[in-house]
Parts: sequence; structure tokens; C-alpha cells
Amino acid sequence: AQSVTQLGSHVSVSEGALVLLRCNYSSSVPPYLFWYVQYPNQGLQLLLKYTTGATLVKGINGFEAEFKKSETSFHLTKPSAHMSDAAEYFCAVSDLSGGGADGLTFGKGTHLIIQP
Amino acid sequence: DAGVIQSPRHEVTEMGQEVTLRCKPISGHDYLFWYRQTMMRGLELLIYFNNNVPIDDSGMPEDRFSAKMPNASFSTLKIQPSEPRDSAVYFCASSYLETQYFGPGTRLTVL
Repeated sequence: AQSVTQLGSHVSVSEGALVLLRCNYSSSVPPYLFWYVQYPNQGLQLLLKYTTGATLVKGINGFEAEFKKSETSFHLTKPSAHMSDAAEYFCAVSDLSGGGADGLTFGKGTHLIIQP
Repeated sequence: DAGVIQSPRHEVTEMGQEVTLRCKPISGHDYLFWYRQTMMRGLELLIYFNNNVPIDDSGMPEDRFSAKMPNASFSTLKIQPSEPRDSAVYFCASSYLETQYFGPGTRLTVL
């Protein structure tokens, strides 16, 4: 069974500061990893994903994440926070070893607060 | 493309009533997923389909819940009878390969 742990249900940073949202996963097979963002009263939007290949992946809005197998982590970062980054962020894992798609297992989410 | 379309966006009903949520996936996507989001349990996978066939319904909470996909462009999630604990936001997502695209969700309130 897969699981995802997001450390910190709320993270507060100042505008212009580094954003770091933590995600650790457990999976019995090489995972596919995702970060989604959810703005109030909206659906989830894909920020970035790791499937295979380069472990540092870049996404939309200046976000990036690094897959570290030895640490079973996939932390999300952004060098400089913007007020528009305030939202809920979800890390998710999928087991696609059997081919095709599979349901996502989500973390509990991290609410990112940007202080002016 | 219009993205994943869900209807209604909001539904308020009384306990015991039947509720039907609808989803139109992105054209060309062969997987369709139903998720539920609550404060207590977060985002949970309920069921998913591949080429209109249910693949995994182990997340469906109980027999009151049922889902169908009669064709590649339409799916329904039905709750009968509804209960207050079913109040949640229900998301539909579709995918081709590994990336899932989510609809805006249906906010269900059962009184």
C-alpha cells in the first residue's frame, strides 16, 4: 500500500522568501509522484510530476521538486514566494508499474500562507 | 478543450434523497476517476474506470454509492439514500497515461 505524508498542515512565509513544502512517500514499487495546487473553491491543478529520468523536475509558476529515492522524499520548492501562491498544495503518489493509469493516493495537504 | 466538466456545481438535498453527480471527461482520455474530499479524511479515491469499465471500486464507502460510465464521454456517481455524512466535495478526473486532470468539483450538502 502506498502512503504520502506532508509535514506541516500550514506553512507561512513572507513574500519574496523561499517556499519549501515537504512530502515523503512510501511505495513498494518505483513511484510516480505529483504535486497539485488547489485554490479556494476550485479543482486541483497539476504543478509538476516525476515519472522517470531527471530527478529535478520543473513545473508551472516557478515551482520545482526533487525526487530523492534514498530519502523517499519529493519536496516542493520555489525560490521567491508571491502573494498569488497562497493556496492548498497536495502531494500524491501513483503506482503505474502495471501500465496505464492508477488512482492517486494524496497527502493531507499543506496550506501555504504568504505574509506581505 | 473545455476540461473536465462536472454538474451540478452545488447540490443541497435532504437525508434519504437520491443524489446523482455527473461528469464529462476530456475527449480522448481513457481513464476516469471519482474522488471525495472532506476535512476529516482529505482526498480519497472512490472508483475508477478504464475504457468505460470499472477497474477498482474498493474506495466506494458502501452499497449506497454506485457509479456508471455508459460511454466514453459521460459518467455518473449516485448516492441512494443520501446521509449527512456524505456531505463533501466530489471530484471527477480524467487521464490519458499518468497525468490526471480534475474537474471543478460538486459540493454536496446533505441536511
